[in-house]
Amino acid sequence: AQTVTQSQPEMSVQEAETVTLSCTYDTSESDYYLFWYKQPPSRQMILVIRQEAYKQQNATENRFSVNFQKAAKSFSLKISDSQLGDAAMYFCAYRGMTTDSWGKLQFGAGTQVVVTP
Amino acid sequence: KAGVTQTPRYLIKTRGQQVTLSCSPISGHRSVSWYQQTPGQGLQFLFEYFSETQRNKGNFPGRFSGRQFSNSRSEMNVSTLELGDSALYLCASSLYGEEAYEQYFGPGTRLTVT
Repeated sequence: AQTVTQSQPEMSVQEAETVTLSCTYDTSESDYYLFWYKQPPSRQMILVIRQEAYKQQNATENRFSVNFQKAAKSFSLKISDSQLGDAAMYFCAYRGMTTDSWGKLQFGAGTQVVVTP
Repeated sequence: KAGVTQTPRYLIKTRGQQVTLSCSPISGHRSVSWYQQTPGQGLQFLFEYFSETQRNKGNFPGRFSGRQFSNSRSEMNVSTLELGDSALYLCASSLYGEEAYEQYFGPGTRLTVT
């Protein structure tokens, strides 16, 4: 079974600074998808970024970028130029490609990001 | 396009009762997944429906069930409610095509069992 581990319960960052969130996963599959979701206090889950395992190039979305290390099974998220609106719980999620993964995201425990002025 | 909608947003039930939650996916999306979020267990997958068929199921007791209608709207039902069923229930929809693997979430239904 696949597992997703986020070892940082909370990270604090000052406005305009950069913060990096860690995520590791365990899988025997060679093809899969990885995601970062953001859950602000409203509890609405928002997709931040996605990475296909077959792509070597790291995904970027504006101020958000990932460092995907397939061999190390590591998928970290970097938030650059942090803004107060980035304060939220961030979840790393894994989606496999086998039939028992249909429609199923496996989430890590989450990292709370606190942004200070 | 309108996002995923869930009704009701808040619900208070008594132990032993049953409850039905509703989810309307993004127009054109055919896959609906349900998740339970609790402080202790985090986000856990309940089940997924596609074209009115349950294709995948998480490790939850049979008290948790669901269905999907021909317009892709989905409902989940919890019978004989227990205190431990208190949670935020999230549904998510996806296309299930080339860009299928992105799931878009609704705002959730907060269920409190007393």
